[in-house]
This record gives sequence, C-alpha cells and structure tokens, in this order.
Amino acid sequence: DTGVSQDPRHKITKRGQNVTFRCDPISEHNRLYWYRQTLGQGPEFLTYFQNEAQLEKSRLLSDRFSAERPKGSFSTLEIQRTEQGDSAMYLCASSSAGQLNTGELFFGEGSRLTVL
Amino acid sequence: AQSVSQHNHHVILSEAASLELGCNYSYGGTVNLFWYVQYPGQHLQLLLKYFSGDPLVKGIKGFEAEFIKSKFSFNLRKPSVQWSDTAEYFCAVITSFGNEKLTFGTGTRLTIIP
Repeated sequence: DTGVSQDPRHKITKRGQNVTFRCDPISEHNRLYWYRQTLGQGPEFLTYFQNEAQLEKSRLLSDRFSAERPKGSFSTLEIQRTEQGDSAMYLCASSSAGQLNTGELFFGEGSRLTVL
Repeated sequence: AQSVSQHNHHVILSEAASLELGCNYSYGGTVNLFWYVQYPGQHLQLLLKYFSGDPLVKGIKGFEAEFIKSKFSFNLRKPSVQWSDTAEYFCAVITSFGNEKLTFGTGTRLTIIP
C-alpha cells in the first residue's frame, strides 16, 4: 500500500503521560497536514508542513503539542502531559503543492488517542 | 473566520431513494468546495470538488453537487442510492489559497437500508 500510513492506530494512555504519533506520507508529496477529529465533528486543522518547514499552526495546537518533519518525509506529532480532552482521532494527510490547487488531500486512517 | 454547516446529522434512506445532503458555507470571497466521504473503517477520500466554471460537478460513484453562489450552498446529490453508499460525508471549503487548508463541516452520517 503506497498511501498515507499512521502509527499507532490506537493509543490508550493515562492522563499526564506523553504520546507520539507518526505519519508517513505518500512519498512524492511535499505537503503534510495534521488534523484532529472528535466524535460528531469534522476534522479540525492543527498544522501543516511544506517539506521540513512548519508553515502554519492552529490555535488548537497548545504548547503541549509539537509537530516535526525533520527531513521533509515522515512527521511526528507529540502530545505532552496528556489530558482527557486530548482524546480524539489524529489524522494525517499529504499532498503535492503542484496538485494542491485541486485541494485533494490524501488521508491516512488516523491514530485514535484515548486518555484515561 | 469561515465555517461550513451541514444541517443533516444523520440521514436514513432505503436503497434506490434519492439523496440530497445540505452544505452551506460562510465566506464572501472566492472558495473551492469539496465533498469527502469516509466509508466504515476506511480513510477519508475525495468524492468531488468545485473550483470554477460549471456549477454542477460530477464525482465518483454517481454523485454530483451543485454550487449555488447566491445561497452559499454546495449540496450533494445522488438520484438512486445503494447500500454501499453507507458512510459519513463531509463538506469542506478552502478560502485561503497558498496553504490550501481545508475547513470541514461536522459531517452527515448516511445509513442506507437494503
């Protein structure tokens, strides 16, 4: 499968612990996005990268959240000192800037976080 | 800030019924509009999109959507649904070009009864 892959698919953690999610985009895509989706809501934008540069962060991304894309390929999203309100599905998507005027983002299946 | 409204939270239809899912957005400038679909256990995928030109756009699997600028709407339609159309449908908009950041609606869950 050459689509967007995310790992782990499901993470259960205790409040106060740190968690890290990984996203591997489609290989030729230079843009990578993180979204968060809670029950009954649509995906909400968190941040995006073009190559290794993080170009925009949502106000939803508190200081406890950090995202990196060190070599312009895979990305990690770390949440420190997790809170129950962080429980959500974290979605990664990728696209090519040349194609992006089409607006088509290619999504992974998501990483579901449950904070107890 | 722009927003997208999907007023139908859950729609239940029998097979062969016609479908229309509402989508309204709040933004006065140029927009690109999308419908994404998420089948059970699968990832989000693009159903169709509108950028300019003919306001009636056709997508995959027999879906179409009509952009009505005066109503700020982009409703999704299908003349005859199938059981396999059971999924969650999300309307989305891009208003800020350059980062192509999608703003999604809350989604409509569609259940088709065989």
